[in-house]
Formats: sequence, C-alpha cells, structure tokens
Amino acid sequence: GAGVSQSPSNKVTEKGKDVELRCDPISGHTALYWYRQSLGQGLEFLIYFQGNSAPDKSGLPSDRFSAERTGGSVSTLTIQRTQQEDSAVYLCASRAGLADQQETQYFGPGTRLLVL
Amino acid sequence: GDSVTQMEGPVTLSEEAFLTINCTYTATGYPSLFWYVQYPGEGLQLLLKATKADDKGSNKGFEATYRKETTSFHLEKGSVQVSDSAVYFCALIPFSGGYNKLIFGAGTRLAVHP
Repeated sequence: GAGVSQSPSNKVTEKGKDVELRCDPISGHTALYWYRQSLGQGLEFLIYFQGNSAPDKSGLPSDRFSAERTGGSVSTLTIQRTQQEDSAVYLCASRAGLADQQETQYFGPGTRLLVL
Repeated sequence: GDSVTQMEGPVTLSEEAFLTINCTYTATGYPSLFWYVQYPGEGLQLLLKATKADDKGSNKGFEATYRKETTSFHLEKGSVQVSDSAVYFCALIPFSGGYNKLIFGAGTRLAVHP
C-alpha cells in the first residue's frame, strides 16, 4: 500500500482479555516503531524494530506488552491481561531504515483501544 | 534524559491571525527537531523539520527555526486558516543513539474560527 496501515482501527475489550494490534509498514521500510498516545502520558515510544529484531524495547510499560515482526514487514503488538490504563491510541510508524537521523517516520492512522 | 516542552493549549484564533506555538527542548549535542500535525480523524503527519542550528524548516506557510542558544523550535504562521485546526506536536530525535526514536511534547490543540 501507499502508507502505513493498522488494524483494527478500533478495539473494545474487557479487562483481563488479550488483544493483538497489527501494523503493515510501507513496503521496503526496514525500521518500524510503536508509539502510544494516551491522555495522561501524551505520545510515548514503546518499541523499535530493525528488520525482525527489536534492539530497543525500553518503552514497553510492563511484561504484559510484547511485539514481534515477521518477514521484515508486518508487526504485531500484543497486550496480555489488559488493564483500563492500557486504553490509548496505539500508533505505528515506519521509515526506510537508512542510517540517517533526519529520515522521516511515516505514521499509520492508529488503533484506538478501549479497555472496559 | 532528552525532553520536549511545548505550550499548553488549546490555542484559539480567528482566521488570518498570526500563530506562534512555543517549543523548547532539553538534549545533549545537536538533536534533530520536528513538528508533526494531527488533523481531526487523521494520523500524524510530518509538518517540517530542522537538523542543525539556525536551520529553518518550512511547509504550508508554517516555519520554525532551530535556535541552539535558546534550545527552542517555535512554530509560526503568518495567517492561519480554518483548515489549520489540528493538534501540533513538537518532537526531537536525540543526537546519538536511541535508534532515531521520536521524543514528543504534549501537543498543542489549535482551533481556528472563521
């Protein structure tokens, strides 16, 4: 596709359930990021992938959060045993992956997660 | 650690008014600086960027100048339109390390009325 896509666009779940959020980056982009946008914390980094490896997981808030990337393309963010404080918009971004600090990150539309 | 502080909103202006949204940062070395915009119902889009001191980023009539001496990157536009109503985020990428992850400010909501 032309841009970063994410699914689902909205997800409502009950506290304690597991959820999976999907990100399809721009074709050929090797670098992929997950961010979270919440009322209390603003926009915060979660995890970074280069290819299928995640050299920076420092933003994951707890061990209930995990992510993987397969084939250097699609990424899945999994939240286990969801809590109400997990309610947020989860954003995915990708960039080509050149060693360039200036390289633009392109964002998807986000998945809005509501935990009841 | 590195951080970004931007003025709280909402900012409410009439069409054709002058806009300034203040942004200051704390970082070591020379980070790259960005403004992202989020229009209602849409994803984050890069608005402009600057990568070294005294650089001016510009796009769609918006401008911001990288000021090392004041650690600032204020966003300005001479004449806003209703279509500029959105949330604006100032952000940086640290000078070294960090895998180019973006560090964002809290965002400033702009509402422009006819």
